[in-house]
Formats: sequence, C-alpha cells, structure tokens
Amino acid sequence: DTAVSQTPKYLVTQMGNDKSIKCEQNLGHDTMYWYKQDSKKFLKIMFSYNNKELIINETVPNRFSPKSPDKAHLNLHINSLELGDSAVYFCASSQEAGKGFYGYTFGSGTRLTVV
Amino acid sequence: QKEVEQNSGPLSVPEGAIASLNCTYSDRGSQSFFWYRQYSGKSPELIMSIYSNGDKEDGRFTAQLNKASQYVSLLIRDSQPSDSATYLCAVVYAGGYNKLIFGAGTRLAVHP
Repeated sequence: DTAVSQTPKYLVTQMGNDKSIKCEQNLGHDTMYWYKQDSKKFLKIMFSYNNKELIINETVPNRFSPKSPDKAHLNLHINSLELGDSAVYFCASSQEAGKGFYGYTFGSGTRLTVV
Repeated sequence: QKEVEQNSGPLSVPEGAIASLNCTYSDRGSQSFFWYRQYSGKSPELIMSIYSNGDKEDGRFTAQLNKASQYVSLLIRDSQPSDSATYLCAVVYAGGYNKLIFGAGTRLAVHP
C-alpha cells in the first residue's frame, strides 16, 4: 500500500524518559513534516525536511530532534519527556514546489501520553 | 491575530441540508488553500484544494475562494451523518517551503 506510516501508534511513558517516533513514506515525495496536534485539536508544524535537509524548524524545545536518513524517512526523538509533550504527533509528506504542490498526505499519528 | 481562523462549532445541520464552513486567513500572499476532514481519532484527510478565486466543485463538495476578502469556504451539499467530522482549513504560508498553517477546525454534526 502506498502511504505514510508511523510507528508506534500509541506511546505511554513516564516523565523524564527519552522516546522516538518513526515515519516512512513510499509515495516518492520529496518533503516530510512533523506536526503536533494538542488536546484542542490544533495542528502546529514542528519541522520539515526536503531531501534530507532541514528546511523548517519552528520554535520547538531543543529536547525535540528530528532526523532524516533519506527522503523517505523522518524520525523524531524526544529527550526528557514532560507532561506538556502529551499530544498526537503526525508525520506528513508532500511533493516539492517545483513539481506542484497538492497538499500533504498524513500518517495515522502517534498518540503520546506522558505520565 | 490568528493566522487561520475558523468557527469551532459545533455546526449542527439536518441530514440532506447544505453545511457551510468558513475560514479567514491573515497572510495576503497565500496562494494555495486546502480543506481537510478529520474523524475523531483519525488523521486529517485532504478533501479539496483551491488556488484561484471563485468556486471549485467536486461531487457534493464546493470550495469557494475570495483572495481580496481573505476568505475560504467549503459547502457540503446533501449532508450525510457520515460527514460528521472536524473540518480543517489550511493555508500555504507565503514564505515558502509549502508550510501549511491550519485553523483550529470546525466540528460538523449531521443529524438524521
């Protein structure tokens, strides 16, 4: 199936722990994103990579570190987790501007709960 | 001022009626606009895109864009209970990199 896939789907962890979320897309897209959706359902961009290069880095605590080993993969590592990090994290992908932009395709999300 | 504003709802319409969802945005340079549908516990799903002023129709959905008024809307004709979801308006940030700025979403409830 062509898609954006994220793992894990659910993540429950204690404050202070370090965790990672993985994302892979097989759509042939050039750009990948991490968005955070808070309890009020507001989607806010965190990072974006285009062909392994970081192009968007919003005001996010440096406990969050994205990594893109290749254009099909984008991972998110979070250090020293805090209660306020509890949210749903969505990965998304899109084509770059030169090839036309038709919006994002989202992954199924990772629900992170910090206790 | 929020960059993309939507009425949070809920917007309640009877089955078969037209649902009208509205969105305003602040960045005058934005050129591309999208509507996403998000069911509870699911990921956002793209349903419409619009790039030029006027109307764009796709099945029961019509997107409307007025760049002078910085206004985007989505009409859903013959609303069905399965249309009950949160509808997210998204605007491409004019600063580049295809950064999508989302509104907080309007919750639509279609009752039989």
